[in-house]
Amino acid sequence: KQEVTQIPAALSVPEGENLVLNCSFTDSAIYNLQWFRQDPGKGLTSLLLIQSSQREQTSGRLNASLDKSSGRSTLYIAASQPGDSATYLCAGSNNAGNMLTFGGGTRLMVKP
Amino acid sequence: ETGVTQTPRHLVMGMTNKKSLKCEQHLGHNAMYWYKQSAKKPLELMFVYSLEERVENNSVPSRFSPECPNSSHLFLHLHTLQPEDSALYLCASSQEGTPGGEQYFGPGTRLTVT
Repeated sequence: KQEVTQIPAALSVPEGENLVLNCSFTDSAIYNLQWFRQDPGKGLTSLLLIQSSQREQTSGRLNASLDKSSGRSTLYIAASQPGDSATYLCAGSNNAGNMLTFGGGTRLMVKP
Repeated sequence: ETGVTQTPRHLVMGMTNKKSLKCEQHLGHNAMYWYKQSAKKPLELMFVYSLEERVENNSVPSRFSPECPNSSHLFLHLHTLQPEDSALYLCASSQEGTPGGEQYFGPGTRLTVT
């Protein structure tokens, strides 16, 4: 059974810093890896999807990488802003059926 | 907005009540999902419907009953709930059969069982 872990559980940084959020998974047979953002009390917003044959995806100041052999994915946020404050969730699917297993999330606070 | 809507956004119900949560997706997808998000626990997949057929029931108690009348609508019928069922219930949709199959989530229904 796939298990997904995110470290750290919470992170506080000053505005402007570059930062890395980590996601690890136990089963290297992961099919795809999706990063989400969740604001308090709200639903999930998809940020990046790394498909099975890909190693990374980029969108604006965000870059996500996937290394199946080591069981890790990272989300890199460049030049962080207070508006980036949210919980970031990673989720992996073990098959093309898109059944996601989620990590516990990293709660990010970017201080002005 | 993500193209996935959920109603109601907030619901308070007693343990003897019967209520339903509704989800609608406007993205032309063919798969829909119910997830539960409890405090201090990772998001848990509850049910998956693909082409209106249930393909996954992740050991969910029978007091939760899903219904998918067509590819755009998904319901979660609730009865005789327990206080520990209080959580944020999230609906999602995706297009199966395409590479990756990115999931899109609704805003959720915050359920409180008293």
